[in-house]
Amino acid sequence: KQEVTQIPAALSVPEGENLVLNCSFTDSAIYNLQWFRQDPGKGLTSLLLIQSSQREQTSGRLNASLDKSSGRSTLYIAASQPGDSATYLCAVRPQGSGAGSYQLTFGKGTKLSVIP
Amino acid sequence: GAGVSQSPSNKVTEKGKDVELRCDPISGHTALYWYRQSLGQGLEFLIYFQGNSAPDKSGLPSDRFSAERTGGSVSTLTIQRTQQEDSAVYLCASSLNAGKGNTIYFGEGSWLTVV
Repeated sequence: KQEVTQIPAALSVPEGENLVLNCSFTDSAIYNLQWFRQDPGKGLTSLLLIQSSQREQTSGRLNASLDKSSGRSTLYIAASQPGDSATYLCAVRPQGSGAGSYQLTFGKGTKLSVIP
Repeated sequence: GAGVSQSPSNKVTEKGKDVELRCDPISGHTALYWYRQSLGQGLEFLIYFQGNSAPDKSGLPSDRFSAERTGGSVSTLTIQRTQQEDSAVYLCASSLNAGKGNTIYFGEGSWLTVV
């Protein structure tokens, strides 16, 4: 059974710092990995989607990398801002077909606080 | 619509009552998912619909939970005889089609409290 772990569970940084959030998964047979952001009391907002054949994806100040063989992904946030404060979740989709193949397995998230 | 729409946004119900949660996916999206997020837990898959195909119900936690999708668009998640452990945020998501490489878009969730 796939397990996704995110460390640390919480992170506090001063504004302007660059930071890295970590995501690891136990089964490397994934189809893709997606990073989401969740603000308090809100749903999930998709940030970046990395297919299993890709090594990284970039969007603005965000860069996500994927090392499928070692079961790791990182989300790099450059020049952090107070508006980046949220919980960041990673989720993996398995390879294969049939029942369960469309399920995302989520980590429990990293709660980020960017201090002005 | 512009995004995935869910209603109600908040629901407080008494133990033993039935509840219905509604999801309206992004227009044109044929794939629809329900997830549950309990306090302190990760998101848990419940059910997946794709077009007119039989849904993947493998994540439903008990037979008190059911879901349907009418006309390939709006979906309703029904919880019968609610229990306190059903208290959670129920999140609906959609994606363009069955392609596994598609981005999944989530709604704001329905916050259910069973008292």
